[in-house]
Amino acid sequence: TQLLEQSPQFLSIQEGENLTVYCNSSSVFSSLQWYRQEPGEGPVLLVTVVTGGEVKKLKRLTFQFGDARKDSSLHITAAQPGDTGLYLCAGDGGSQGNLIFGKGTKLSVKP
Amino acid sequence: NAGVTQTPKFRVLKTGQSMTLLCAQDMNHEYMYWYRQDPGMGLRLIHYSVGEGTTAKGEVPDGYNVSRLKKQNFLLGLESAAPSQTSVYFCASIQATRYNQPQHFGDGTRLSIL
Repeated sequence: TQLLEQSPQFLSIQEGENLTVYCNSSSVFSSLQWYRQEPGEGPVLLVTVVTGGEVKKLKRLTFQFGDARKDSSLHITAAQPGDTGLYLCAGDGGSQGNLIFGKGTKLSVKP
Repeated sequence: NAGVTQTPKFRVLKTGQSMTLLCAQDMNHEYMYWYRQDPGMGLRLIHYSVGEGTTAKGEVPDGYNVSRLKKQNFLLGLESAAPSQTSVYFCASIQATRYNQPQHFGDGTRLSIL
């Protein structure tokens, strides 16, 4: 059974701080996606990483896929209150397009 | 752009009652999914469909049934609701199963079983 362990589960920081969220597995994934979810809404895709060692940047967000394609990280530089939300990593679960989700990291950025 | 629409948005049921959650997408997507989201558990796949007339079980299918009679609609049924089915239910869809396709989610149905 493929599992994705996300850490930390909760993160409360002040505006301007940096943070990193980790997504780890003992299984190899052909791709990993990161979603952001706001209260009362469904998850929205931030990025997909597909190549081991790949780094993608989305403004202040930096995503990295591990060389062995078993782990990924999300780094936010100079966090802002607008970054507050639930961050979910998801790995491809097979040929039917299924996704295996981590349990999520709930981020709160205080002004 | 409507995307994925879920109805109802909220519902309270008594134990043993039945109900159907509706998911409708206007993107002509082939694949559709039903997830449940519980605190600290992330999203878990209940059932999914790879095309009109097809359905398959996911990780947590017990107590649920689904139907995909029309390509744009995916229905999730609870025949006899139980308190353990209190959750937020999300529907999602994708056009194809290539690994870089994002799943498009609805805004969820919040279901409470008393």
